[in-house]
Amino acid sequence: AQTVTQSQPEMSVQEAETVTLSCTYDTSESDYYLFWYKQPPSRQMILVIRQEAYKQQNATENRFSVNFQKAAKSFSLKISDSQLGDAAMYFCAYRSYESIGGFKTIFGAGTRLFVKA
Amino acid sequence: DAGVTQSPTHLIKTRGQQVTLRCSPISGHKSVSWYQQVLGQGPQFIFQYYEKEERGRGNFPDRFSARQFPNYSSELNVNALLLGDSALYLCASSSASGRDSETQYFGPGTRLLVL
Repeated sequence: AQTVTQSQPEMSVQEAETVTLSCTYDTSESDYYLFWYKQPPSRQMILVIRQEAYKQQNATENRFSVNFQKAAKSFSLKISDSQLGDAAMYFCAYRSYESIGGFKTIFGAGTRLFVKA
Repeated sequence: DAGVTQSPTHLIKTRGQQVTLRCSPISGHKSVSWYQQVLGQGPQFIFQYYEKEERGRGNFPDRFSARQFPNYSSELNVNALLLGDSALYLCASSSASGRDSETQYFGPGTRLLVL
């Protein structure tokens, strides 16, 4: 079974600095998607960035970028120029596919990010 | 366009009761997934439905069931509630299923408290 591990329960960063959140996963599949989601205190889960496993190039979305190491099964998120609004719980997620044509998304336990002014 | 909507926002039940949670996907989305998020943990997958058929099921007991309607909205039912069912229940929609699926968009959730 696939698993997703986020080893950092909490992280803290100074405003305008850079922080990296770690994620590792376990799978025997070669074709999958990886995601980082943000869940602010208001609870709505928001997609931050996604990565397709067959793409070598690391995904970037403005201040957010990933370091995808397929062989190492590692998928870290880098937030540059951190802003107060980045404070939230961040979840790493893996999408696996079902034999009946569906999918399920497996989430890590999350990393709570604090941003200091 | 409206995002994923869920109702009710909060719910209090007692042990042994039954509850129904509702979800309306983004217009044009045909896939709905349900997740349970216990406080302090990541969401756990419960079900995925596409075109009114169950396409994925997580490791939850038979007390949990769901269905999808012709307009692609969905209901999650939980019978014989236990204290441990207290959680935030999230619904997510996407335009397709399987490897054709793209991003899932999440609703605000229903907070269920079982006393």
